[in-house]
Amino acid sequence: GAGVSQSPSNKVTEKGKDVELRCDPISGHTALYWYRQSLGQGLEFLIYFQGNSAPDKSGLPSDRFSAERTGGSVSTLTIQRTQQEDSAVYLCASSLVTSGGASTDTQYFGPGTRLTVL
Amino acid sequence: AQTVTQSQPEMSVQEAETVTLSCTYDTSESNYYLFWYKQPPSRQMILVIRQEAYKQQNATENRFSVNFQKAAKSFSLKISDSQLGDTAMYFCAFMIQGAQKLVFGQGTRLTINP
Repeated sequence: GAGVSQSPSNKVTEKGKDVELRCDPISGHTALYWYRQSLGQGLEFLIYFQGNSAPDKSGLPSDRFSAERTGGSVSTLTIQRTQQEDSAVYLCASSLVTSGGASTDTQYFGPGTRLTVL
Repeated sequence: AQTVTQSQPEMSVQEAETVTLSCTYDTSESNYYLFWYKQPPSRQMILVIRQEAYKQQNATENRFSVNFQKAAKSFSLKISDSQLGDTAMYFCAFMIQGAQKLVFGQGTRLTINP
């Protein structure tokens, strides 16, 4: 079946502009995650969605970052007033939540969006 | 806070050789999961193998196996009969049961030479 898809594959923007990154999780997966992969910081957790529960935003680096998940499926990560330090690969993952509401299952990743802020 | 350490930034072996990638982690939790992910140049993170901390038996997936030493907080990955397609970045990752988020090591760049 189809895996996690992300768009665009690459995005180049100018400092100060807003960008939106999209993630389509695996069908049937109720948990969705965003991670950031940068040279200096490695792979960092950003945000987690599970069903209709309030998202875990504990990894968002600043209030310029926000994310939403509409209809329990597609998610959009928005970065406002982009800065050069936002340049990174943004990875989305999804997983199947097992009984009890805990995501003990494996996270499956998309191909990522490479963001370059000039 | 949980940390994952991969002490080998780069490794290089000849095709068909066996290679072991190291990973250590630090946690006070007792229920957790450990993973090895592979990231080829295409950027796609691919699950290689996973281990539940409560299982004593080491996980195995074809040519890939782990040496899980819970007391030592060590989780190494062994790749047998290495192939050119194994060339990639390998990330060790940790997740506390119920915590939902993965904590990654810094990665090991593995090159398989013909």
